[in-house]
Parts: sequence; C-alpha cells; structure tokens
Amino acid sequence: ELKVEQNPLFLSMQEGKNYTIYCNYSTTSDRLYWYRQDPGKSLESLFVLLSNGAVKQEGRLMASLDTKARLSTLHITAAVHDLSATYFCAVPRSYNTDKLIFGTGTRLQVFP
Amino acid sequence: NAGVMQNPRHLVRRRGQEARLRCSPMKGHSHVYWYRQLPEEGLKFMVYLQKENIIDESGMPKERFSAEFPKEGPSILRIQQVVRGDSAAYFCASSPGAPDSPLHFGNGTRLTVT
Repeated sequence: ELKVEQNPLFLSMQEGKNYTIYCNYSTTSDRLYWYRQDPGKSLESLFVLLSNGAVKQEGRLMASLDTKARLSTLHITAAVHDLSATYFCAVPRSYNTDKLIFGTGTRLQVFP
Repeated sequence: NAGVMQNPRHLVRRRGQEARLRCSPMKGHSHVYWYRQLPEEGLKFMVYLQKENIIDESGMPKERFSAEFPKEGPSILRIQQVVRGDSAAYFCASSPGAPDSPLHFGNGTRLTVT
C-alpha cells in the first residue's frame, strides 16, 4: 500500500531563515503535488511536479521531485509570517489516476 | 468561474441522525473525490466518482456511508446513523481528469456529532 510520509511534522522557524520539508513515498510515481492549508480552511494547490528532476518556484517556496529516490522537497527561503500554514504533499495512488494519497502534513509556524 | 462548492459549511447532528453533504464540482470537471480530515491529521481518501458511476470506494466505511454523483445535480455524501467518531471535516475535490491538473478542493463541511 502506498505510504506518504513527511518530515518534520512540526516546524517552528524564525523569520528570515531557510528550511526544507521532506516528502517520501513508498511506490513509484511520476507525479507529486504540494498543497497548503490554513487553519479551518480548504487546501490550496501550490505545485504540480510531473517528472523526475522537476523544479518549480513560487515566491519564497521551491519544490523539487526525485522519482528515483521517491523524494520531494519543499524549500522555504527567508521565511515570513504569512507562510505559517500546514503543508501537504500528495502522490497518485497509481499511474493514470487522480486519486491522491496525502502525506501526514507539516505544520509550519514562522515567528518574528 | 466558481470553484468547488460545498454545503453546508457546518453541520451539527445528534447521534443516530443522518448527515447529507453536498458538492458541486468546478465547471467542466467530471471527476469528484471525497476526503475526510480528522483534527490535526491529513486527508484520507474516501471515494472517487464520475457522473452516475462510483469508480473507487475503497476508502469508504462498509456501513452507513454512501456516495452518489447523479447525472444532474451535486455529488452527495450520505452518512446514516451518525456516531461521534464521524465528526470531522469532509472535503470534496474535483478535476477534469487531466494528469497535469491538480485536484481543486472545496471549503469543506465540518460535521459535528453531539
């Protein structure tokens, strides 16, 4: 059964610092998605990574995918308070399906 | 272009009552997914539907839970004889079925069973 694990589960970081969230998954997949969720809110799509070596950047966030290592990273550069949220990675259950299996989530708190 | 619409946003039911959660996918999307999120946890897949068809219900509890996506109207997730353990946020997501398109999520229905 496909398992998707994230670490760390909780991350408290100071504004201006850099950090990386890791997402490991247990079976082969050519796609991976990152989502953001604010407390009590829905999930917002951040990145769609479609191939090995894919790298995407939006503002202070950069995501990458290594399908051979079954690993994705979400790198935060010079964190600001507005980035405080829970971040989820998600992997399709199998090839050619949109059914996503979500990671455990990483709750990020950025403080001054 | 309206996003995924879910209603109600909040639903309170007493044990033993029925809960009906509705989801209208984004325009042009024919794939609907239901997920459940318990407090402080990730999302767990429940069911995947296309119009008039249940494609994958492997995440649905065997009893009391059912889902449909009729030809006309929204998708419905129905929970009969609710118990306290059913309290959770239920999210609906839709997609056009293209592999490079992420799932688009609604705002969720927060079910509280008293």
